Amino acid sequence: GENVEQHPSTLSVQEGDSAVIKCTYSDSASNYFPWYKQELGKRPQLIIDIRSNVGEKKDQRIAVTLNKTAKHFSLHITETQPEDSAVYFCAALMDTGRRALTFGSGTRLQVQP
Amino acid sequence: SAVISQKPSRDICQRGTSLTIQCQVDSQVTMMFWYRQQPGQSLTLIATANQGSEATYESGFVIDKFPISRPNLTFSTLTVSNMSPEDSSIYLCSVDSGAGGQPQHFGDGTRLSIL
Repeated sequence: GENVEQHPSTLSVQEGDSAVIKCTYSDSASNYFPWYKQELGKRPQLIIDIRSNVGEKKDQRIAVTLNKTAKHFSLHITETQPEDSAVYFCAALMDTGRRALTFGSGTRLQVQP
Repeated sequence: SAVISQKPSRDICQRGTSLTIQCQVDSQVTMMFWYRQQPGQSLTLIATANQGSEATYESGFVIDKFPISRPNLTFSTLTVSNMSPEDSSIYLCSVDSGAGGQPQHFGDGTRLSIL
């Protein structure tokens, strides 16, 4: 089955700096890669996603890049703000059949004011 | 996106008892998923529930411990049976419309503590 590895497990940045979180996946059949943000005591919320036919996607301060050949994808947050502090999870899914997400282990991002 | 409601939001239970968690969606969806999130950990899929068929369980999860119902396209239940402290987790429901290209969204979760 699919295996998703996520690094780093914790990340501390100064407000205004950029943050990068990286994930690798094992199953070349995976073709959909969402990122979720989970604040303390709340549900995971989808913040951005990318499909395997696209190499990069951007939404304001958030961007995701995908390298299908290397089977890795990354989340980039620019101009970080204290409200970006949360746990971020990457996930992978094959968009047919079972359609169950396999999650990475999570990254705790702390933005220091 | 679909609005997903879970009940209860939290509960404290005695070991050996069972608890049924409900997941209600405001639109018809093909697939519903149940995840477990242990304290400080990532999300692990328990099972996939499709209407009209038996739930499909992931390795390490069995029907006797986590029976699931899916009576229609907007509702599912997960029962945590014969609970032990190790079952203390957040249980999350998510849905997939089944239409290609649609992202999955989560309910607010059920925070379960076993004494």
